Amino acid sequence: AQSVTQLDSHVSVSEGTPVLLRCNYSSSYSPSLFWYVQHPNKGLQLLLKYTSAATLVKGINGFEAEFKKSETSFHLTKPSAHMSDAAEYFCVVSGKGGSYIPTFGRGTSLIVHP
Amino acid sequence: DVKVTQSSRYLVKRTGEKVFLECVQDMDHENMFWYRQDPGLGLRLIYFSYDVKMKEKGDIPEGYSVSREKKERFSLILESASTNQTSMYLCATCDLSTDTQYFGPGTRLTVL
Repeated sequence: AQSVTQLDSHVSVSEGTPVLLRCNYSSSYSPSLFWYVQHPNKGLQLLLKYTSAATLVKGINGFEAEFKKSETSFHLTKPSAHMSDAAEYFCVVSGKGGSYIPTFGRGTSLIVHP
Repeated sequence: DVKVTQSSRYLVKRTGEKVFLECVQDMDHENMFWYRQDPGLGLRLIYFSYDVKMKEKGDIPEGYSVSREKKERFSLILESASTNQTSMYLCATCDLSTDTQYFGPGTRLTVL
């Protein structure tokens, strides 16, 4: 069994300040973990993924996430927010094997103020 | 690049109509998925398919069916559309070698 919890439904930051989007997971397997971004009226785009290599994962557009097994967390960060980062962000956990079925968090809406 | 296309970006139908949503991928992925997305609820899995003619129910299959006659095409069918099926529908494939999903742009369905 697996589950994922995004701890904030909305996060509001000012442009140029750091971003932190929090995600906790549970999994019976060695998980793969993902962050996806969805801009308004668009499909989901992969930001980054963790698949048991380096625990600090770098993604596109300056985002990164750290896998912490002891805390079962996979928080997404960015040092300096841009207006273009305003979007919905989804944390996803999956197991491995042929019957791959990922589990999505409910999403965090990132609002960036000028 | 993987490309996942969905037949319509916007669709308006009337209650009781039969609705077909089509999804086509160009990367020979075995696994394909249909989700609906509603505000505050995230993505909820309706059905997925792991091979031609093979399908499994997801979390919310009621009122929906699917068809996968060819590997590249996965169709979602609303047998008799109802207003509570007004939603954004997202199709996805999965590359099993990397566990990565690829999403289509979505179809925003309104049922009147």
